[in-house]
Amino acid sequence: KAGVTQTPRYLIKTRGQQVTLSCSPISGHRSVSWYQQTPGQGLQFLFEYFSETQRNKGNFPGRFSGRQFSNSRSEMNVSTLELGDSALYLCASRHEEGPGPYEQYFGPGTRLTVT
Amino acid sequence: AQSVTQLGSHVSVSEGALVLLRCNYSSSVPPYLFWYVQYPNQGLQLLLKYTSAATLVKGINGFEAEFKKSETSFHLTKPSAHMSDAAEYFCAVSGTGRRALTFGSGTRLQVQP
Repeated sequence: KAGVTQTPRYLIKTRGQQVTLSCSPISGHRSVSWYQQTPGQGLQFLFEYFSETQRNKGNFPGRFSGRQFSNSRSEMNVSTLELGDSALYLCASRHEEGPGPYEQYFGPGTRLTVT
Repeated sequence: AQSVTQLGSHVSVSEGALVLLRCNYSSSVPPYLFWYVQYPNQGLQLLLKYTSAATLVKGINGFEAEFKKSETSFHLTKPSAHMSDAAEYFCAVSGTGRRALTFGSGTRLQVQP
């Protein structure tokens, strides 16, 4: 099976702009999570979608939003970009059948640089 | 709430030496614990996971971890380091199978020739 794919891999935006990142999960995986990775804050959970519904949410401002489509592909959007939004954004998917725990499979990430 | 603490942001070992990366957890419920590895410019790859079926968990690439409830620890070990093991390692905890992962701050492993 193909792994989790994320597009684009690299992105440069200007402060105040908005950005949309895309994630395609492993086929058959209905759960998609997003994480932000920065040198200062480490890996932080943004949100999780399951069957097109947001199931869990981290502690990020409303500028960060996401959605999931019927084919389980997910997008996250960041509006009014700030310099501090520069980070590696990781998408992860998992298959939830049988007893847990359900490991998450990560994509290669999108490196966002805000100037 | 769950949390993990990784002791040592950088660990350096010689090739062939024992690798020991420390992780202590805090959880109000029996935790699910994971170790992930991240190579430069890549995402995270699962090394192993604790499922409560056995306290000693074997993972990929010769790594293993032992769950010690009395010490709230889940340290990662490998008997003999290889140059290709140089990467950043993350310990993570989840309170239930469907909750988000809470990651430790990571430990960068350097392997000296």
